[in-house]
Amino acid sequence: EVQLLESGGGLVQPGGSLRLSCAASGFTFSSFDMSWVRQAPGKGPEWVSLISGSGGSTYYADSVKGRFTISRDNSKNTLHLQMNSLRAEDTAVYYCAKVGDTITYFDYWGQGTLVTVSS
Amino acid sequence: DIQMTQSPSTLSASVGDRVIITCRASQSISSWLAWYQQKPGKAPKLLIYKASSLESGVPSRFSGSGSGTEFTLTISSLQPDDFATYYCQQYNSYSWTFGQGTKVEIK
Repeated sequence: EVQLLESGGGLVQPGGSLRLSCAASGFTFSSFDMSWVRQAPGKGPEWVSLISGSGGSTYYADSVKGRFTISRDNSKNTLHLQMNSLRAEDTAVYYCAKVGDTITYFDYWGQGTLVTVSS
Repeated sequence: DIQMTQSPSTLSASVGDRVIITCRASQSISSWLAWYQQKPGKAPKLLIYKASSLESGVPSRFSGSGSGTEFTLTISSLQPDDFATYYCQQYNSYSWTFGQGTKVEIK
């Protein structure tokens, strides 16, 4: 059974940093691209970033480019998101998501971790 | 960026009703469209991928169709467990965009 468990969320001041982690199990982690998707309160989901199975390729939404860094440790089946220069508009539930057999959809999602950016 | 527009935003229906949700893309996305169901406090759940492929374990009352810029999600006979919010999502050139959602409410 595929399981994705996020951690690291919390309250942070504007301009601050936070590192999210996602522990994966139930599939061959290194064989699949992984992504972070966020959802602000009352809004639809927003794709944030994607990393290839090897970690060699990364992609970012324009809204986070230059501030967020996605990474993975295939030896530990763990995905990370380093978030710097946080803004109020980054407040959201952040989901770790496994990318499907093609890269066009997300077939498994974690339960999410809440990030609140506020003074 | 490709924009996704869903209609309606809210839909009131009864158990047993046939429900159709529409999603329009601002430019052609071939068949790279997925549909998700989300219940309050939970993560989205994949229902349909590649416009019309049913995800394993999803009831057959859910179906998807369309290509290019116009897509539909159909629930053939609405069940009590189907009251939720539904999102479409497109893929194009390493960018993924979701619609604003359609909330299916009890009539």
